[in-house]
Amino acid sequence: AQTVTQSQPEMSVQEAETVTLSCTYDTSESDYYLFWYKQPPSRQMILVIRQEAYKQQNATENRFSVNFQKAAKSFSLKISDSQLGDAAMYFCACTSNSGYALNFGKGTSLLVTP
Amino acid sequence: KAGVTQTPRYLIKTRGQQVTLSCSPISGHRSVSWYQQTPGQGLQFLFEYFSETQRNKGNFPGRFSGRQFSNSRSEMNVSTLELGDSALYLCASSLFGTSEIDTQYFGPGTRLTVL
Repeated sequence: AQTVTQSQPEMSVQEAETVTLSCTYDTSESDYYLFWYKQPPSRQMILVIRQEAYKQQNATENRFSVNFQKAAKSFSLKISDSQLGDAAMYFCACTSNSGYALNFGKGTSLLVTP
Repeated sequence: KAGVTQTPRYLIKTRGQQVTLSCSPISGHRSVSWYQQTPGQGLQFLFEYFSETQRNKGNFPGRFSGRQFSNSRSEMNVSTLELGDSALYLCASSLFGTSEIDTQYFGPGTRLTVL
C-alpha cells in the first residue's frame, strides 16, 4: 500500500517570495510517478507538475519546481515569485504501474499575502 | 480541446435514495477514474475504467458502482445514500490509464449533499 504525507496543513507566503511545500510518501513499488495538483476555491483540480521516479533530474514548470529525493521518499514543491493566484490547496499524489489510482496527501493550504 | 465535464454540478438527495453522476472525458481519453473528496477523509480513489472495463477499485462498499460506455463516458451510481456520502465527487480522465505516459486531468466535480 502507498501512503502520502503532507505535514504542513497551512502555509503562508508573501507575494514575490519563495515557498516550499513538503511531501513524503511510502511505496513498495520500484516504478512510480509523483504529482502536485492545485485546487483553488473553484475546486477544479489542476496539474502543477509531475515527476517520474526513474528520472533523477528534478522536474520544473515555469515558477514551479520539485526537489525529488528518492532514497528519502521526499517530493517537495517549490514555488518561486509567488503570485496571488497561487493561493489554493496543494495536493501531493503518488501512483504506480500496479494499478492506476492516485493516492493523495491531505493537502497544504497556501495563503499568499500582498 | 474541451476539458473533462461532469454533470450535474450540484445535487441534493435524501437518505435512502440513489444517485447517478456522469462524466465525459477529454476527447480521445479512454481511461476514467472517480474520486471522493471529503473534509475528513480527503481524496479517496473509487474506481477506474478503461474500454468499458473496471480495472481498479478502491475500498468502498458495494453501494458505489460505476460503468463506462463505448464512447468513454462514465457514470457512477450510489445506492441507498447515507449522510456520510455527502462529498465532492471528482472524475479524471487520461489517455490510456497507464502511469508511464499519462496524466489524469480532472473535471470540476459534482457536489453531492445527502440530507
